[in-house]
Amino acid sequence: GNSVTQMEGPVTLSEEAFLTINCTYTATGYPSLFWYVQYPGEGLQLLLKATKADDKGSNKGFEATYRKETTSFHLEKGSVQVSDSAVYFCALSHRDDKIIFGKGTRLHILP
Amino acid sequence: NAGVTQTPKFQVLKTGQSMTLQCAQDMNHNSMYWYRQDPGMGLRLIYYSASEGTTDKGEVPNGYNVSRLNKREFSLRLESAAPSQTSVYFCASRKTGASSGNTIYFGEGSWLTVV
Repeated sequence: GNSVTQMEGPVTLSEEAFLTINCTYTATGYPSLFWYVQYPGEGLQLLLKATKADDKGSNKGFEATYRKETTSFHLEKGSVQVSDSAVYFCALSHRDDKIIFGKGTRLHILP
Repeated sequence: NAGVTQTPKFQVLKTGQSMTLQCAQDMNHNSMYWYRQDPGMGLRLIYYSASEGTTDKGEVPNGYNVSRLNKREFSLRLESAAPSQTSVYFCASRKTGASSGNTIYFGEGSWLTVV
């Protein structure tokens, strides 16, 4: 079945550091891929997405590229801020309308 | 815009009690979902509804029932609550069609404690 695996946290970085959160998936065909972010006490909200191979999603300085050959969708940001502290979820959506989420990666940014 | 609204936000139940979590969306979305979120487990799908009048089991349906009352509303019922159902519950909705790339929108969550 479809699945998403993302790096376990927590990840702790200093402000202005480079961020990578790894995400790989298992699915037949060509799913759509997403990154969602959850701030404390809130629901999840879309950060970025990509719907076909080699697409790059971007938002708020975050980027992720849909790599079919490595079944990956790693999240990157060149210079993180304290306000980026949150939990990040990688997810995929396929033909059966279910959306499968990874277990989440908690990110702490130190000033 | 209200988006996805779920109630109650907090609830404490005794083991064996029943309760219903309510969810409504005002975006005219076809699909609605109920997830639970537990530490270290991420989000797990309980039930989903691809359209009014249809419901399907997700990954962890045992102990829950759902009703898709109309296109706007999708409720989750715990018939006999157990401590293992202590969790944060999220309702979500999405427009569906030919593309699998549509965004899913979440409510703010319902914190449920079963003692």
